[in-house]
Amino acid sequence: GESVGLHLPTLSVQEGDNSIINCAYSNSASDYFIWYKQESGKGPQFIIDIRSNMDKRQGQRVTVLLNKTVKHLSLQIAATQPGDSAVYFCAEKGMDSSYKLIFGSGTRLLVRP
Amino acid sequence: DAGITQSPRHKVTETGTPVTLRCHQTENHRYMYWYRQDPGHGLRLIHYSYGVKDTDKGEVSDGYSVSRSKTEDFLLTLESATSSQTSVYFCAISRAPSSYEQYFGPGTRLTVT
Repeated sequence: GESVGLHLPTLSVQEGDNSIINCAYSNSASDYFIWYKQESGKGPQFIIDIRSNMDKRQGQRVTVLLNKTVKHLSLQIAATQPGDSAVYFCAEKGMDSSYKLIFGSGTRLLVRP
Repeated sequence: DAGITQSPRHKVTETGTPVTLRCHQTENHRYMYWYRQDPGHGLRLIHYSYGVKDTDKGEVSDGYSVSRSKTEDFLLTLESATSSQTSVYFCAISRAPSSYEQYFGPGTRLTVT
């Protein structure tokens, strides 16, 4: 598959442990954020989103936390599985009136069996 | 799966030749996007479209043009390919204005020799 990022930060976790992937965003006025998962050779896949009027949102085995004070977003994956191995991107909505997203550079998650 | 296909999936071309990549969607969404993805970078927006014949530039539009003559098709053209345009290209759609999340196609790997 394609090399998504040769110099991406990497998080290595043991199967079954919880994973926390962090993201700093740039614009304090951003009001919408998304997490994507990208497996090797595939397009990014939507995981979960959160609006700025929330601090936390939960999905199936995933939780997104938003700290607007320090402009920080995190994705928590519970009971990490080998299938969770991928590159994870955060994105924020662009500030103009268009429906554009601004993507971070990503974090590679490796799950050790 | 948001019904997005990209063609070709892989292409090798020579410097100076024109190249057109096609994105096709089956769900009649108004917003479509072209991104490129390179090692060490996140997804960077090339151009986007907000309707038939309505397009606008993204952050890395130099050397690229787009066309949208039908709702379902969004074409990306490299008028004269350069080695710096070797990349993986992703098309995305958005269910805007009802939501901001974007859904991605499988990608096209383009190599310019």
